Amino acid sequence: QKEVEQDPGPLSVPEGAIVSLNCTYSNSAFQYFMWYRQYSRKGPELLMYTYSSGNKEDGRFTAQVDKSSKYISLFIRDSQPSDSATYLCAMGNSGGYQKVTFGTGTKLQVIP
Amino acid sequence: DSGVTQTPKHLITATGQRVTLRCSPRSGDLSVYWYQQSLDQGLQFLIQYYNGEERAKGNILERFSAQQFPDLHSELNLSSLELGDSALYFCASSREGGDNQPQHFGDGTRLSIL
Repeated sequence: QKEVEQDPGPLSVPEGAIVSLNCTYSNSAFQYFMWYRQYSRKGPELLMYTYSSGNKEDGRFTAQVDKSSKYISLFIRDSQPSDSATYLCAMGNSGGYQKVTFGTGTKLQVIP
Repeated sequence: DSGVTQTPKHLITATGQRVTLRCSPRSGDLSVYWYQQSLDQGLQFLIQYYNGEERAKGNILERFSAQQFPDLHSELNLSSLELGDSALYFCASSREGGDNQPQHFGDGTRLSIL
């Protein structure tokens, strides 16, 4: 079983829809959660960074962490064609020198 | 723009050859990470350096090596190249080196082995 599971998609939605992207994880020690957006042929771009449980909002993006269920989500409101990309979740646990664990990414397509 | 610079952007070479990929981290970042991303694969962590010293090692092949120099730039050396080494290689940097640090990625070097 992978430490972090992420549905690869692709997920196709109409413009203006609310998008929900999710990751589940097995390591209960994870405390730091990140979402990255990766456009084709570009490097991952940090979107959201959260610590522990709860919600964090930044513009049209909301990151949600449910540690009891080992489940994190990224919501995109009023989705735009420019949001079409692959979204990767990432997690860390200790603040020490251990690798961040990435999900394999969900490909999102927003249809105009 | 993440502030992380990777060169070259594209590299085409043949099997058995050796190449060097270069990364300049964001200003003020002390830690550098290298990742490999193959087609339809996730990011595979290769190796991490912090202020010139190796800090963590992932699935890095013995044919691959890296170093971080006093000016904090880093190089990833790939030798005895095989067809399967064709991939995107990303460098990322962070302020310190802990796994609670968000990493900022460059746009990668696309390596094609013919």
